[in-house]
Amino acid sequence: SQQGEEDPQALSIQEGENATMNCSYKTSINNLQWYRQNSGRGLVHLILIRSNEREKHSGRLRVTLDTSKKSSSLLITASRAADTASYFCATDMKTSYDKVIFGPGTSLSVIP
Amino acid sequence: EAQVTQNPRYLITVTGKKLTVTCSQNMNHEYMSWYRQDPGLGLRQIYYSMNVEVTDKGDVPEGYKVSRKEKRNFPLILESPSPNQTSLYFCASSRTGELFFGEGSRLTVL
Repeated sequence: SQQGEEDPQALSIQEGENATMNCSYKTSINNLQWYRQNSGRGLVHLILIRSNEREKHSGRLRVTLDTSKKSSSLLITASRAADTASYFCATDMKTSYDKVIFGPGTSLSVIP
Repeated sequence: EAQVTQNPRYLITVTGKKLTVTCSQNMNHEYMSWYRQDPGLGLRQIYYSMNVEVTDKGDVPEGYKVSRKEKRNFPLILESPSPNQTSLYFCASSRTGELFFGEGSRLTVL
């Protein structure tokens, strides 16, 4: 079964708005990462947050991690049409840090 | 340029015809992994390798083999492909946890 589950499955917003995607997972983790995938292309790493961190920023991205709720959120501020892509969270479990497990992803459409 | 290179990028084959998808990375990464991506299922890990001669099963290893004889290469072998192995395959490598992905290999098994 999937370790991570993103929510919503699909999101459509206007350019300039903020986009928020959530990820829930089931077991304790070492790290949680977010990746982006343009249609049919390879995934690109966006940000990694460690289990002892609560919030991390990178440019227009803000990631939060709540280990008590086993959840994370990815916020993209001031979205652009070029942000249209699928976004995945990935976790590596404390019991097996070498197995990185991806959720099914959130498909984001940013309308110009 | 740091990259993960997969070949072939596209392949149509028939049931039972052995095939190999190659993966090579030029970043001297110890960790390499294979994933398959199917609609609605996200990426599922097939096999991974922590270093040369060290490989382990992921979540969906059935029907696949791998080898890690050199640090830079991690080929995925389908000994007898079946239609349910039609998928988009990704190879990835890592040193510090951040995964670097290849561009993918779209495989169709008829």
